[in-house]
Amino acid sequence: GAVVSQHPSRVICKSGTSVKIECRSLDFQATTMFWYRQFPKQSLMLMATSNEGSKATYEQGVEKDKFLINHASLTLSTLTVTSAHPEDSSFYICSARDEGGLAGRYNEQFFGPGTRLTVL
Amino acid sequence: GENVEQHPSTLSVQEGDSAVIKCTYSDSASNYFPWYKQELGKGPQLIIDIRSNVGEKKDQRIAVTLNKTAKHFSLHITETQPEDSAVYFCAASTGGFKTIFGAGTRLFVKA
Repeated sequence: GAVVSQHPSRVICKSGTSVKIECRSLDFQATTMFWYRQFPKQSLMLMATSNEGSKATYEQGVEKDKFLINHASLTLSTLTVTSAHPEDSSFYICSARDEGGLAGRYNEQFFGPGTRLTVL
Repeated sequence: GENVEQHPSTLSVQEGDSAVIKCTYSDSASNYFPWYKQELGKGPQLIIDIRSNVGEKKDQRIAVTLNKTAKHFSLHITETQPEDSAVYFCAASTGGFKTIFGAGTRLFVKA
């Protein structure tokens, strides 16, 4: 249980285009999901907290108009990188919080496999 | 805000030896401390965690200790194997909400 999927796993796009990344909790519901960005050999940097049915909460320095987040259901959050540029190339990882407490794992975060975005 | 420091940044051990990674946190309200293993090109995987009402937890070759007074927690891997080679992240959170990650430790287990 507690599986989080991401799609796509890899995407290459041209500069100026938009890219959508999906994050799904497969066997539990999550009103809260998190989007992280990871540069090579660095730690995870929280970009925003995705809240089901309401606006996302962005971390300081993260442009909300650049990184659009939609959390339309209890099992799906999407991150859209708008007008992508080469500096947006990175590894994007989502996580979902098990708020239902599957088998006593209340509030644990489960991570997706990540999406590698390359902007040419 | 909360800050988590992790040491060492790189750790190289011989197969069969033990590995220890240490973290400190700044927010005394933190009450949940997970450890993640991340292999190249993959997302982090939770390997063990500890909550603030427990001082030590063990799962086979992996153990975690927590010293709330000193705000320290550590990961211990015994009888290391080459497949343990990965990047390990400690983290701390308050009420299970926002999780703050350490900088990571790159562990190399030499066969």
